[in-house]
Parts: sequence; C-alpha cells; structure tokens
Amino acid sequence: KNEVEQSPQNLTAQEGEFITINCSYSVGISALHWLQQHPGGGIVSLFMLSSGKKKHGRLIATINIQEKHSSLHITASHPRDSAVYICAAMVISNFGNEKLTFGTGTRLTIIP
Amino acid sequence: EAQVTQNPRYLITVTGKKLTVTCSQNMNHEYMSWYRQDPGLGLRQIYYSMNVEVTDKGDVPEGYKVSRKEKRNFPLILESPSPNQTSLYFCASSSGTSGATDTQYFGPGTRLTVL
Repeated sequence: KNEVEQSPQNLTAQEGEFITINCSYSVGISALHWLQQHPGGGIVSLFMLSSGKKKHGRLIATINIQEKHSSLHITASHPRDSAVYICAAMVISNFGNEKLTFGTGTRLTIIP
Repeated sequence: EAQVTQNPRYLITVTGKKLTVTCSQNMNHEYMSWYRQDPGLGLRQIYYSMNVEVTDKGDVPEGYKVSRKEKRNFPLILESPSPNQTSLYFCASSSGTSGATDTQYFGPGTRLTVL
C-alpha cells in the first residue's frame, strides 16, 4: 500500500463545476505539496502547506494533519484546468530523514 | 528567467550504451533531485543532492549515478542502461536543503527509451 493515496484516479466534469481531489497519507509528515502536470508533461508546483488552507486564484488547498488528509479544490472549473494533479508528502522516516513521497496522480478532464 | 533545464528532452538508445542526462538550474538552489515517472507508479526519487559534493540515494537508485561538482549542475548518469530504465525523467531544484519544505521547480522532463 502506498504511503500517499489519491482519489479519484480519474475525474471528468463539466465546465463550471466545483472540483475536489483528495490526498490521504498513512505516515507522519511535516508538509504536503500539490503539483500540476500538463498534458505536455511539464510539472508545476501549485501549493506547499503544513497546516490550514491556502488559496491562489480559483485553486484552494487544505490540510488536516490530525486526519492525515489534504484536499485540492478548483472553483468554476475550466477546460484549461485539465491536467494531472499530484500530491506529494514530506514523509519523516524512523531515522529522522525527510523525503518527498508522491501519490500516483488524479487525471482531471473538464469538458466545455 | 528562473528555470531548470534538462538535455536531451528525448533519447532512444540501446542496452549497455552509457549516457548522461544533464540538469542545470539558474536559481542558486542548494537542493537538486532526480525523479523517474512510470505509469501507475507515480514519481519516484532516484538521487538527491543537498549541496555541492553532497549526494544521497532516493528510493530507486540502482543503475544510476550522479555527481554535484557545481551548484547549478546535477547530471544523471546511466553507466549501462537497461530496458527497465525506459521512463520519463525529471530534474527538480529548491532553495532549502531538504527539498521538501520549499517550492520545487521541475525541469521539462527527458523521455528515455532503452531498446
């Protein structure tokens, strides 16, 4: 079982819909990243958060450390939001090392 | 423009022929890392470097080598490539030394096919 799980794996929605992508993790972490990978393959960092909520334009990311869960929301979705969204958790190992562990991604398709 | 560059972007090679994928960043970042991305497995870390001459293994280091002689460059070396190293490779950098608590900047990716 992956230490970082995302759901859903695939999501198709109509333009304008409110989108939620979930990320849960089973180990202790100190921060979580949300990344966006466009159809061309390039990866862009959207958010890095360790508590609470962050907002950038139509994108909102939340994290609940106690529940080991994070969500990425997109309001008023648009076809240009179509991409793969990846969460990555900074996992703290038993030896005190920290490393990024990635979910397998959520493929989002927004239909006009 | 702040960026991470990788070369080549696409490469088809044969088993056993040594190759190097270059990675360079112009942001004076201390932390650099290599990842491979495979369908169904997501991104996995190969090697990382916290500063010049400081490198360490990630989750899947077998078959790869790296070096960090200068801050800006972090090449990935495949001494004897095999077909199971066919993948999409990403280099990334960030300003912190852990690489996981600061924004990561990714290169455009290198698609490698080993025949």
